[in-house]
Amino acid sequence: AQRVTQPEKLLSVFKGAPVELKCNYSYSGSPELFWYVQYSRQRLQLLLRHISRESIKGFTADLNKGETSFHLKKPFAQEEDSAMYYCAPPMAGANNLFFGTGTRLTVIP
Amino acid sequence: DAGITQSPRYKITETGRQVTLMCHQTWSHSYMFWYRQDLGHGLRLIYYSAAADITDKGEVPDGYVVSRSKTENFPLTLESATRSQTSVYFCASSRGQHQETQYFGPGTRLLVL
Repeated sequence: AQRVTQPEKLLSVFKGAPVELKCNYSYSGSPELFWYVQYSRQRLQLLLRHISRESIKGFTADLNKGETSFHLKKPFAQEEDSAMYYCAPPMAGANNLFFGTGTRLTVIP
Repeated sequence: DAGITQSPRYKITETGRQVTLMCHQTWSHSYMFWYRQDLGHGLRLIYYSAAADITDKGEVPDGYVVSRSKTENFPLTLESATRSQTSVYFCASSRGQHQETQYFGPGTRLLVL
């Protein structure tokens, strides 16, 4: 069955420390993976997508097909990075995404 | 962001009542989606629509009904609300299929007593 796993429900790091939010997926094809973010009192919004290979707000995510992972990384966490983060690969054979359970990141000043 | 709106933003209802949550987008996006957000479950897809008059079930469709008579509107109806349907409901839209960015509404907080 299609699955996406974000093993950490809660993650706390100190400001300036590196942060990595883990995401593992099960998908037999070549997935188009996304990270969405929800800041406090804001809408869920796209943070970055694998295909564009860009860095948004200092975050990057590398697709590792061998490990079926798409971890989100940032070298120096900022307080404004505190938010809920969702990894989202596509549902196999479907026209929609399959969101993980999310990781709530707290950056401690 | 004002391109996709949801109403009401907050709703309290009682078990057994019918409730309709509205979603409206001004981008003429083909795809629209309804999700529910619950602690420990993240976002789960309820229903989605690829175009007007085309809808399909998502992961958790039971107890919900949708329609899409116009491209811009995608209402979600709880035919007989249950306490387990207490949740935050998000509507989203996108231009195309799963490769496209989804744009989310502000959400509706629903409490079923």
